Amino acid sequence: KNQVEQSPQSLIILEGKNCTLQCNYTVSPFSNLRWYKQDTGRGPVSLTIMTFSENTKSNGRYTATLDADTKQSSLHITASQLSDSASYICVVSGHPGTASKLTFGTGTRLQVTL
Amino acid sequence: GAGVSQSPRYKVAKRGQDVALRCDPISGHVSLFWYQQALGQGPEFLTYFQNEAQLDKSGLPSDRFFAERPEGSVSTLKIQRTQQEDSAVYLCASSLCYEQYFGPGTRLTVT
Repeated sequence: KNQVEQSPQSLIILEGKNCTLQCNYTVSPFSNLRWYKQDTGRGPVSLTIMTFSENTKSNGRYTATLDADTKQSSLHITASQLSDSASYICVVSGHPGTASKLTFGTGTRLQVTL
Repeated sequence: GAGVSQSPRYKVAKRGQDVALRCDPISGHVSLFWYQQALGQGPEFLTYFQNEAQLDKSGLPSDRFFAERPEGSVSTLKIQRTQQEDSAVYLCASSLCYEQYFGPGTRLTVT
């Protein structure tokens, strides 16, 4: 069964610190990998999308990496802010082309504190 | 509005009741997805439409779940004879290309 596993399950960091979230997947074939941010009570919002040929992509203070050989991805958050408190979900698309169904990880719940 | 909207935002149903959840996608988005998200879990795929055609319904957990998108725009997810295990957030997403835009979800609680 295609799976997406994330670690850690939850994380608490001080405001201003950096953190890295991990994602391992077994989805095959592989089309693209996405990181979403989901605030409590809201739908997920896309942060980055990476295809097979991309190994890093940044969106402001968020930087995602992808190693398609080892099937691993990470999301690095720099200079965290209180508003970064949310669940971060790694999502893999196993089908080429557009609008394909996605396999979601269970997410890492991040809490940024003062 | 510019985003995906869903209604109601919250629904409490007695076990055995039927419910209907509505999704208004972004105008012009061809693809529409429904997901089920249990507490503390990531969303799980339920079904997918391209325009009015339901191309994949492999994620629907039972024949009590039914989705439609008759005019290729608004979609309705219907759950018949609700059970407690149906309690979850139901997310709708619409898409034009790669990107999926999610609505805020409907939180269904079955008592």
